[in-house]
Amino acid sequence: AIRMTQSPSSFSASTGDRVTITCRASQGISSYLAWYQQKPGKAPKLLIYAASTLQSGVPSRFSGSGSGTDFTLTISCLQSEDFATYYCQQYYSYPPMYTFGQGTKLEIK
Amino acid sequence: EVQLVESGGGLVQPGGSLRLSCAASGFTVSSNYMSWVRQAPGKGLEWVSVIYSGGSTYYADSVKGRFTISRDNSKNTLYLQMNSLRAEDTAVYYCARAGSYSPNTPHDYWGQGTLVTVSS
Repeated sequence: AIRMTQSPSSFSASTGDRVTITCRASQGISSYLAWYQQKPGKAPKLLIYAASTLQSGVPSRFSGSGSGTDFTLTISCLQSEDFATYYCQQYYSYPPMYTFGQGTKLEIK
Repeated sequence: EVQLVESGGGLVQPGGSLRLSCAASGFTVSSNYMSWVRQAPGKGLEWVSVIYSGGSTYYADSVKGRFTISRDNSKNTLYLQMNSLRAEDTAVYYCARAGSYSPNTPHDYWGQGTLVTVSS
């Protein structure tokens, strides 16, 4: 089974900061990688798919990159509404497993 | 407008059963790949099961043999039958759509979730 590992698990930042979250797959997944944002008590929201394609309606300060096993999510200029938990997910494997990373909690410094 | 509304959660004793429903609107469940994803209190997301548009079903190892995913095309509704429930199945259960072209697509629409608590 493919394992997804995110880093860091949590960190603090300030509005206006540029932040990067990394996600590593235990084996190559091409670009079958999505990023989700989740706020407390809410369902996850799709931000990026195919490693780097922005979902419709998502602000352009979010960007993704990578392929194979190493991926990054970058928020170029943190806004107050961006403080949340972020998950990566692979959707490459067959039989399907749709494995998620353990999450990265982004908190206000 | 695409909408997913889960129901059926609640408190159940260990070893008991529960059936979750996910009513969809704005698209056709049977033409899409539909998943259940759960989140234990304070924990991360865990994919549970998927049903393909063609009807094939797949499960996480943690629920295989105990949970069954299905759909009712006439009601445009997705289900998750959960049997032999354990304390570790306690979670918010979300239904989510994984697109219509391929199972290798992310989950673009999610319901609001329904809480299942397994406890005596």
